[in-house]
Amino acid sequence: QKEVEQNSGPLSVPEGAIASLNCTYSDRGSQSFFWYRQYSGKSPELIMSIYSNGDKEDGRFTAQLNKASQYVSLLIRDSQPSDSATYLCAPKETGANNLFFGTGTRLTVIP
Amino acid sequence: SQTIHQWPATLVQPVGSPLSLECTVEGTSNPNLYWYRQAAGRGLQLLFYSVGIGQISSEVPQNLSASRPQDRQFILSSKKLLLSDSGFYLCAWNQRGRGFDGYTFGSGTRLTVV
Repeated sequence: QKEVEQNSGPLSVPEGAIASLNCTYSDRGSQSFFWYRQYSGKSPELIMSIYSNGDKEDGRFTAQLNKASQYVSLLIRDSQPSDSATYLCAPKETGANNLFFGTGTRLTVIP
Repeated sequence: SQTIHQWPATLVQPVGSPLSLECTVEGTSNPNLYWYRQAAGRGLQLLFYSVGIGQISSEVPQNLSASRPQDRQFILSSKKLLLSDSGFYLCAWNQRGRGFDGYTFGSGTRLTVV
């Protein structure tokens, strides 16, 4: 059974700090990983993708992947109140064009 | 540019009533289409996906069904709603025939079964 584990939070960080969001997954064959941001009452929005071990940076966001440990993370630098949302980790299912999602980590950035 | 439309945005339906939710994609052809449900306090659950007209794969046995009558149209239906069908229903798409790069969600339908 495919599982994605995320700390549900809430994770609270002060404005300007680094927020660290973590995710572990059970499907050892997963090769592609995606982070979605979901504001309350809204649909998820893709913010990052990562396919290779190591770090990938895009603006204030950095995704980190360690396939051997089945671990993926998202760092948000210089956190802003507008970053307050639920962040969903989504590995791609092996052999299919489907994503399976964690329950998400709720982030609150305190002004 | 490509856009995805879902309607209605909100829906309140009595138990036992039928359901029809529609999703359409514009600005592309041959998309992969997906229906997800997000129940309160729970993760996104894949319900159905489709790689082409009339081709539907079901992930979870339930009283819901899906159809794809046209290339860019995906419909979620039920003959008789249950209380447990309440949730946030999301349609998503990505481009078939290209490397998988995640997918884009529609704005969703919030369904409350009473």
